[in-house]
Amino acid sequence: EAQVTQNPRYLITVTGKKLTVTCSQNMNHEYMSWYRQDPGLGLRQIYYSMNVEVTDKGDVPEGYKVSRKEKRNFPLILESPSPNQTSLYFCASSSGLAGGFSTDTQYFGPGTRLTVL
Amino acid sequence: RKEVEQDPGPFNVPEGATVAFNCTYSNSASQSFFWYRQDCRKEPKLLMSVYSSGNEDGRFTAQLNRASQYISLLIRDSKLSDSATYLCVVNIGGNQFYFGTGTSLTVIP
Repeated sequence: EAQVTQNPRYLITVTGKKLTVTCSQNMNHEYMSWYRQDPGLGLRQIYYSMNVEVTDKGDVPEGYKVSRKEKRNFPLILESPSPNQTSLYFCASSSGLAGGFSTDTQYFGPGTRLTVL
Repeated sequence: RKEVEQDPGPFNVPEGATVAFNCTYSNSASQSFFWYRQDCRKEPKLLMSVYSSGNEDGRFTAQLNRASQYISLLIRDSKLSDSATYLCVVNIGGNQFYFGTGTSLTVIP
């Protein structure tokens, strides 16, 4: 089944304790992206990647790191989480085949609900 | 100013009603437009892309007005299963996307 998976789905942690949220897709998509969703603010793009070893900042990259060492995986790293990073996080991917990444459908993972105390 | 703005609603409509949502965008260079649907606490899923000439998919019609910088979504003959939050999404060029905060729709029996 074609899908985007994220782990963990739920995480409660404390300020300053490094964490990684994994994202994996089995559709051979080149484009992958991370978003956070907060009430009243909608989804905001954190980082995106157009291919292996190519990553770019989105709208709200501060406090986050990403890496794209393999096509299928795009982990989100919080080196020193803070309470303002409490949010619902979504990973997404798209193929870019239908005219480019800007016009293609994004497929989202199920989300990771992160609470930083 | 936000790149994309939507009326958050909620819109509560009876089954069978027609309902329309608008979404405005601030950057005139915006190139691609989409409507995504998000069920409560679930991931967003593409409902439809929005083309310059307007497009229809069954009961759903999307339109783009570049002069006034807004896109719209019309849902005809609303079903209970249409209850969800509808997200407007804009790509300004390049590979970065901007989402609206979403419009909540509840279809009432």
